[in-house]
Amino acid sequence: QSALTQPASVSGSPGQSITISCTGTSSDVGSYNLVSWYQQHPGKAPKLIIYEVSERPSGVSTRFSGSKSGNTASLTISGLQAEDETDYYCCSYARSGTFASWVFGGGTKLTVL
Amino acid sequence: QVQLQESGPGLVKPSETLSLTCTVSGGFISNYYWSWIRQPPGKGLEWIGYIYYSGSTNSNPSLKSRVTISVDTSKNQFSLRLRSLTAADTAVYYCARLGNYPYWGQGTLVTVSS
Repeated sequence: QSALTQPASVSGSPGQSITISCTGTSSDVGSYNLVSWYQQHPGKAPKLIIYEVSERPSGVSTRFSGSKSGNTASLTISGLQAEDETDYYCCSYARSGTFASWVFGGGTKLTVL
Repeated sequence: QVQLQESGPGLVKPSETLSLTCTVSGGFISNYYWSWIRQPPGKGLEWIGYIYYSGSTNSNPSLKSRVTISVDTSKNQFSLRLRSLTAADTAVYYCARLGNYPYWGQGTLVTVSS
């Protein structure tokens, strides 16, 4: 299994929108809607912000949205705020033959300028 | 609301075996897959493996030879054993129920050092 590919860093100004991509293969992102996104502040556990590609947990800001096209999932954060500056990870269910697993992206550091 | 809590030693010596337990509350362990994930300091997340409540398991090929995952449905717990530890195994270890709606524990830091 290979890690999902995320940009190492993205940046944007307050109020702007940014998108973080998460590229996999037809064995993971491309074939299953079990893609989730996590926000992780330093020293804290990952916080679920998107599940099943585009669903938002209760209490998560509507500024966070998810989508998928082919083998690439995307997280969009609109109306950037200073508190959004941290690390983001994607995760997908993967299956190759009879071997099922979960695979993570390498993480993206978001900087709010 | 499903909650998960990891427990185990925070310091383990090189070459020894790490044993961690995850206690599930707010729901039954049955009918789900339960995973272990780790995160070395300053690095990304790595899936270690999962167990189904019936006992079937799957592990990351990079760790498979050193990993054992077990489940105790009577205690609503599942466990991780990682053998032949080195400094590279130093990480925060998380237990989680990945799937349609993921639930994670808060994580426990394990340091491998003599």
